[in-house]
Amino acid sequence: QQPVQSPQAVILREGEDAVINCSSSKALYSVHWYRQKHGEAPVFLMILLKGGEQKGHEKISASFNEKKQQSSLYLTASQLSYSGTYFCGTEPPEAGNQFYFGTGTSLTVIP
Amino acid sequence: SQTIHQWPATLVQPVGSPLSLECTVEGTSNPNLYWYRQAAGRGLQLLFYSVGIGQISSEVPQNLSASRPQDRQFILSSKKLLLSDSGFYLCAWTPTSGYEQYFGPGTRLTVT
Repeated sequence: QQPVQSPQAVILREGEDAVINCSSSKALYSVHWYRQKHGEAPVFLMILLKGGEQKGHEKISASFNEKKQQSSLYLTASQLSYSGTYFCGTEPPEAGNQFYFGTGTSLTVIP
Repeated sequence: SQTIHQWPATLVQPVGSPLSLECTVEGTSNPNLYWYRQAAGRGLQLLFYSVGIGQISSEVPQNLSASRPQDRQFILSSKKLLLSDSGFYLCAWTPTSGYEQYFGPGTRLTVT
């Protein structure tokens, strides 16, 4: 039930762009994205509730392809503060209130 | 505004000792509550979730248990800790299904 994220890790220079993918083997009700700094709790970034929905937060945006059961997170002109581990989270419709986080993607932005 | 508390922040316990971690939420009622465990450098593993008082669903068979004695209180327990129980334990709440999860600060547990 755990979504699979790719890549597992990525290193960027400041100003570069990155894409993080999240794929599920099950149909998705919603997709959440979170960022976790080292040693801290995950922090919510955005939620996508409908297929085809796209959302943005500053220079971070996401898309949700319900038919393909996948979501992508786009980081544009990355900043040092973007470093951390990114997790997608999903709620399969048949799973009730269960919530599953993806495998995680470690993002490191260097000067 | 809503806040979520977890304690203790860090804990070092010997193998075979009991465990009790507490999580409380303020500023909301009837939240969905979750316990996750994160091993070092790994992802978040859902352990338990609860949609109401006394209603607990378990995701993984293990030596841990959870209870929800009050609407905004969620407790994670163990009678005898194992070395493999070490990790970062996170409590989270959501107002209902389909909404973002808000995490507490976490408890870092080391079993020695």
